[in-house]
Amino acid sequence: QTVVTQQPSLTVSPGGTVTLTCASSAGAVTSYHFPNWFQQKPGQPPRTLIYSTSNRHSWTPARFSGSLLGGKAALTLSGVQPEDEAEYYCLLYLGGAGWIFGGGTYLTVL
Amino acid sequence: EVQLVESGGDLVQPGGSLRLSCAISGFTFSNYEMSWVRQAPGMGLEWISYISRSGRTIYYADSVKGRFTISRDNGKNSLYLQMNSLRAEDTAIYYCARMMDMAVTASVDYWGQGTPVTVSS
Repeated sequence: QTVVTQQPSLTVSPGGTVTLTCASSAGAVTSYHFPNWFQQKPGQPPRTLIYSTSNRHSWTPARFSGSLLGGKAALTLSGVQPEDEAEYYCLLYLGGAGWIFGGGTYLTVL
Repeated sequence: EVQLVESGGDLVQPGGSLRLSCAISGFTFSNYEMSWVRQAPGMGLEWISYISRSGRTIYYADSVKGRFTISRDNGKNSLYLQMNSLRAEDTAIYYCARMMDMAVTASVDYWGQGTPVTVSS
């Protein structure tokens, strides 16, 4: 049973840069996992930010970027805004076993 | 405008059944794969089921396999989730989600607002 691990919480100052990571217990995360990143604020559904490792949707601000870093999927926020305070989830594709979410990272902007 | 609107969530007793629906508008439903994702109170997201455009390919998470059935009616622009033998741990908000072209990427783009399911006696 694959487990996907994210940092439980991170804190960043406004205007700063922070990197969230997403690791798989099954080994290195690769582009074949098609990593997705989602933002969720309290009482709202998730919103997709990044798909296929590094692709932004039309609504995703340019300050959000995705990559692979040291065998993990990574989401980097540059020039963090107060409205970026939220829970962030990664999602990995496991082929015939479907998909699995990470446990989420709560980002505090302080 | 892409819209996914879930319905059917309710309070149900353990062991009971419920059928969720997701009404689609703003895009050609038959051209997209779909998934259901749930979120228990105060918890993270859990992917639970996927269905291909034709309905011929279906995946389930182990937590719901054998109890839940995903289906779709392309003529009615609707996605469904039949949930049987419900347990307290199935209590969650259930979201339908549109998948991007699986030939290119196994990714989600749009989400519905969710429908709440509570399993309790």
